[in-house]
Amino acid sequence: EVQLVQSGAEVKKPGESLKISCKASGYSFTNYWIGWVRQMPGKRLEWMGIIYPGDSDTRYSPSFQGQVTISADKSISTAYLQWSSLKASDTAMYFCARGQGPSRYCSSTSCYTLDFWGQGTLVTVSS
Amino acid sequence: DIQVTQSPSSLSASVGDRVTITCRASQSISSYLNWYQQKPGKAPKVLIYAASSLQSGVPSRFSGSGSGTDFTLTINSLQPEDFATYYCQQSYTTPITFGPGTKVDIK
Repeated sequence: EVQLVQSGAEVKKPGESLKISCKASGYSFTNYWIGWVRQMPGKRLEWMGIIYPGDSDTRYSPSFQGQVTISADKSISTAYLQWSSLKASDTAMYFCARGQGPSRYCSSTSCYTLDFWGQGTLVTVSS
Repeated sequence: DIQVTQSPSSLSASVGDRVTITCRASQSISSYLNWYQQKPGKAPKVLIYAASSLQSGVPSRFSGSGSGTDFTLTINSLQPEDFATYYCQQSYTTPITFGPGTKVDIK
């Protein structure tokens, strides 16, 4: 059974750093792209970026480039999303999700159709 | 960026109704359009990919159609578990963008 299990909710202050995780199981972690999606309270989903754990090839949405870092540790089948300096506007639910097809090539299906999702990690940034 | 809009933003329907949700892209995206269902406090779930392909395990009352800029999600015979918010997503080019959502609630 494919599962993506994310780390727990976080409460942070502005300026603090944070790294949240997404542990995969039930499939070959290195052969599928994993993406991150933000959902601010009451708002639409926003695609942040995606990583191929096999070789750590990473693509970012321009809106999030330079604001976050996506990484993966294939030895423990875990993807990460991290911030070096949080802002109040980073308050949101963050989801990891797997690309649908096993492929190194980033296509509409393998990269951008997200078939399994983590349960979400709520990040609250407040002074 | 490709903008994606949906209509209506919300609708009220009864169990057994047929429901249609429309999604429009700001430029042609061929058939690179996916539909997701999200229930409160839960992660989204893909229903339809590539505009009209039913994701494995999804009931056949869900169907999708369209190409180019205009797409439709249809739910035949709405069931109690279908009350949720539905998002379309263009997977044609980065940055990938989602529609604003359509909330389907009980009449």
